[in-house]
Amino acid sequence: EVQLVESGGGLVKPGGSLRLSCAASGFTFSSYSMNWVRQAPGKGLEWVSSISSSSSYIYYADSVKGRFTISRDNAKNSLYLQMNSLRAEDTAVYYCARESPLADYGMDVWGQGTTVTVSS
Amino acid sequence: EIVLTQSPGTLSLSPGERATLSCRASQSVSSSYLAWYQQKPGQAPRLLIYGASSRATGIPDRFSGSGSGTDFTLTISRLEPEDFAVYYCQQYGSSPRLTFGGGTKVEIK
Repeated sequence: EVQLVESGGGLVKPGGSLRLSCAASGFTFSSYSMNWVRQAPGKGLEWVSSISSSSSYIYYADSVKGRFTISRDNAKNSLYLQMNSLRAEDTAVYYCARESPLADYGMDVWGQGTTVTVSS
Repeated sequence: EIVLTQSPGTLSLSPGERATLSCRASQSVSSSYLAWYQQKPGQAPRLLIYGASSRATGIPDRFSGSGSGTDFTLTISRLEPEDFAVYYCQQYGSSPRLTFGGGTKVEIK
């Protein structure tokens, strides 16, 4: 079964750091670009960051540039998001999602999400 | 920067009715890179349509997508009870790499 499972969310104080992980299974992880997408409580979806299959290309939303770092370990079938200098507005459910070239780069597999709460 | 504007914000319809959702882009979007997602409460989004008009695997044929340039439409021909949800359009481009619309909620009238 194709699956993505996020972990690492939690409660953190403003200015703090957190590292999210996404474990992939059921497909050749190293062949796909991956994304992090977040959703603040009661709000819409916001793209956060993308990484190509070999980590050659990395992109960030302006809202997280300089604070968040995306990475992956293809040997471990894992995607990561290092989040530093966290702000209240980073509070959200964070999803990892697979980007499929067969679906014109639509995101065809999503994890269940992990919740990040930034509060003092 | 491409901005996607979805309308209406909320659509109140009855089961069996037709739903027409709009997604308008601030600049021309390649049709190949326009997708639609469905999200139900407490669940992750699900890919419905990619390439503006291609249904993703397992998506019923009552869902269809159309459009080009700056105007795109998601149509649900006859609403089933499980179709009441929030729908998002999304474009894949260069800067920013990905953009979502604000969403349209389809609710039971």
